[in-house]
Amino acid sequence: KAGVTQTPRYLIKTRGQQVTLSCSPISGHRSVSWYQQTPGQGLQFLFEYFSETQRNKGNFPGRFSGRQFSNSRSEMNVSTLELGDSALYLCASSLNPTSGEETQYFGPGTRLLVL
Amino acid sequence: AQKVTQAQTEISVVEKEDVTLDCVYETRDTTYYLFWYKQPPSGELVFLIRRNSFDEQNEISGRYSWNFQKSTSSFNFTITASQVVDSAVYFCALSEGKAAGNKLTFGGGTRVLVKP
Repeated sequence: KAGVTQTPRYLIKTRGQQVTLSCSPISGHRSVSWYQQTPGQGLQFLFEYFSETQRNKGNFPGRFSGRQFSNSRSEMNVSTLELGDSALYLCASSLNPTSGEETQYFGPGTRLLVL
Repeated sequence: AQKVTQAQTEISVVEKEDVTLDCVYETRDTTYYLFWYKQPPSGELVFLIRRNSFDEQNEISGRYSWNFQKSTSSFNFTITASQVVDSAVYFCALSEGKAAGNKLTFGGGTRVLVKP
């Protein structure tokens, strides 16, 4: 079974631009979560989607948004990029978002550099 | 609010030595789940183990073992007879009950360097 895939793997943008990252979950997984990883803040939860609905959101500004499609694929968008948005963005999928007990499986990440 | 602390930032060992990674967590929930993930240089987080708050039985899986103690809010992880391929950053993570959904709170990570 194929794992979580993320595209693109690397991205370079300039301040003020916007970016869209894509995530395809493991086949059959219906929940997709996004995380940001930076050297300073570590791994931080962005948001979680299930059945095309945002179920949970982390403490990030409104410039960070996401969506999920009917096939469970998800995209996240960052508008008006800032230098501090440079990070590794990780997507994770799980079978069903029940009560937090589901194991999340991560993709390889998208490394975003904002110049 | 939930919090995960990994006090060790980096551990260096020689191959075949045992490595124990410490993890201390804080949560107000009575039902929660604890995880260990490994992040090799490629960047992908690899799931290693999961433990439920209501099951304190410690187990061994191959070269991995873990020690879960609710009384001290600790969830330590041991790699026995380390190998060079074990070199990576290891993260401890906490997932709380229903309200938190699938949100994982991660510790800062411990970098493990296994030298040949």
